[in-house]
Amino acid sequence: TQTVSQSDAHVTVFEGDSVELRCNYSYGGSIYLSWYIQHHGRGLQFLLKYYSGNPVVQGVNGFKAEFSKSDSSFHLRKASVHWSDSAVYFCAVSALNTGYQNFYFGKGTSLTVIP
Amino acid sequence: GALVYQYPRRTICKSGTSMRMECQAVGFQATSVAWYRQSPQKTFELIALSTVNSAIKYEQNFTQEKFPISHPNLSFSSMTVLNAYLEDRGLYLCGARGHLNSDYTFGSGTRLLVI
Repeated sequence: TQTVSQSDAHVTVFEGDSVELRCNYSYGGSIYLSWYIQHHGRGLQFLLKYYSGNPVVQGVNGFKAEFSKSDSSFHLRKASVHWSDSAVYFCAVSALNTGYQNFYFGKGTSLTVIP
Repeated sequence: GALVYQYPRRTICKSGTSMRMECQAVGFQATSVAWYRQSPQKTFELIALSTVNSAIKYEQNFTQEKFPISHPNLSFSSMTVLNAYLEDRGLYLCGARGHLNSDYTFGSGTRLLVI
């Protein structure tokens, strides 16, 4: 089975700082990784995904993530955060053995951006 | 664009009663629909995956007897929480996709309170 872990439950930064939200997965086969954002009390919004090709993927609002097979990671980064980026960020994994049908989410990282 | 609507947005039910929630895909054909639950302070747990013309697959700890799902066409799905108790409270999210290479589009969720 595939699993995904987000090591940081909470991250706090100041507006304008850079940020990295960590995501590690465990699965040996072909994998589909994505990041979603949840603003307070609301549903999930898609940020970006990786399936194959260029390991660095660009998402919306200046977010990008880099896939690393050697580290089993898919960390999310942003060079300069805005207060509106405060939200909970979820990393999700889906694997070939489920036909990329089942998405499993990490526990989420709550990002607080101080204005 | 692809949108998913969920209703009701919020609902309260008495302990031991049942509650039905609905999920509507607009702008695309929802070949697969995944239902998730986010309990307070937790991540999104996959309840079941429904694919048109296939059997609905429930994850461990979730059963059809407790969470019956209907997926009668390519634009609509519903799930009922039968005999709801306190531990069933949370945000129920529906995600739909058209084909394997597309991303899931999520609704805003149905927040269930049990009293």
